[in-house]
Amino acid sequence: EVQLVESGGGLVQPGGSLRLSCTVSGFSISGCWMHWVRQVPGKGLVWVSRISSDGRTTTYADSVKGRFTISKDTAKNTLHLQMNSLRVEDTAVYYCVRFLYPGGGWGQGTLVTVSS
Amino acid sequence: DIQMTQSPSSLSASVGDRITITCRASQNIDSLLHWYQQKPGKAPQLLIYSASSLQSWVPTRFSGSGSGTDFTLTISSLQPEDFATYYCVQTRDAPLTFGHGTKVEI
Repeated sequence: EVQLVESGGGLVQPGGSLRLSCTVSGFSISGCWMHWVRQVPGKGLVWVSRISSDGRTTTYADSVKGRFTISKDTAKNTLHLQMNSLRVEDTAVYYCVRFLYPGGGWGQGTLVTVSS
Repeated sequence: DIQMTQSPSSLSASVGDRITITCRASQNIDSLLHWYQQKPGKAPQLLIYSASSLQSWVPTRFSGSGSGTDFTLTISSLQPEDFATYYCVQTRDAPLTFGHGTKVEI
């Protein structure tokens, strides 16, 4: 069974940092592209970042470029998102996602709140 | 970036109704268009992938069509559990882009 479980969310002040993790079971993240998507509560879905199956290629939304870093630990089958210089507008539920069809997979999400 | 225009943003319907939601891409995305259903407090769940293929758990009242730039999601006979928000997403190019969602309400 495919499972993705995010962790690491919480309350942080503007300018602070957080590291999100997504622990995966049921498939190997070394074999597929993995993504982060976020959603402000009550609003729509926004793609944030992706990393290639071999970990060599990363892509970011303009809104997070230079502040967020996506990475993967294949030994632990875990995806990460290092978020620095956080802004109030980064407040959202963050999902790790496998856009692979059929099936794919989303985690349950972890809430990041940026507030003073 | 590829823009996804989803309409309507919301609709009111009754059990048994047939409804259609559309997504239009700003450029050709072939069939790399997928539909998700999201209920409050839950992660999105895949309904239709590659424009018209039904995910295995999904009832056959859901269907998808289209290719290129114009796509539709149809629910042939709305059931109580179908009241939710629906999103399209294109995976043709990064940044991946979602439609703004369609909230289906009673």
